[in-house]
Amino acid sequence: QLQLQESGPGLVKPSETLSLTCTVSGGSFSSSSYYWAWIRQPPGKGLEWIGSLYYSGSGSTYYNASLKSRVTISVDTSKSQLSLRLSSVTAADTAVYYCGRLIKASDAVEYWGQGTLVTVSS
Amino acid sequence: QSALTQPRSVSGSPGQSVTISCTGTSSDVGAYNHVSWYQHHPGKAPKLMIYDVTKRPSGVPDRFSGSKSGNTASLTISGLQAEDEADYFCCSYVSSFTVVFGGGTKLTVL
Repeated sequence: QLQLQESGPGLVKPSETLSLTCTVSGGSFSSSSYYWAWIRQPPGKGLEWIGSLYYSGSGSTYYNASLKSRVTISVDTSKSQLSLRLSSVTAADTAVYYCGRLIKASDAVEYWGQGTLVTVSS
Repeated sequence: QSALTQPRSVSGSPGQSVTISCTGTSSDVGAYNHVSWYQHHPGKAPKLMIYDVTKRPSGVPDRFSGSKSGNTASLTISGLQAEDEADYFCCSYVSSFTVVFGGGTKLTVL
């Protein structure tokens, strides 16, 4: 059974960089049948796709156009970890951040992490 | 891409049926059959309930069904049960490795 667990600081200061890690157990990043994503949910709002990474040897990334200039998603296969970096954060970036694995054939999020709340505040 | 449009809330009594709509555009929901639905109990991980518009993952009760007409997808829950009370989100493929979610619908079981 695949398990995903997000981790990182729960509090980030405005203008700083948010860094989160998603540790994956029970599965591999390299399967061509899946891809990986970061998704967030601001308090009281809906889900927002942040970006995706398809690891088929090279690690192609795709980002939400509204966040593209500030987002970096990467993978460390030796640690089975997916990472998210979001720079120049503001209060609007306060959210529960989820990592997920999507089925490539259907673009559905088959597995989700539990989510981690990140608050942007001084 | 703009978020898909869902009603903020729906409600129904135990045993009844409810339908949650998810309206997109001819560039997402209307163009592809990669629409999925998620059940989200606060504080827990979202759960995939429907994928490819109508398909149910193993273990999801057949009380949950999905459909699509034009730019609008729908999730129908029949025989409502108390444990169905949750937030429900839709999601659609937009382009390669890119998806968009709906704003979410809060289902209240009266």
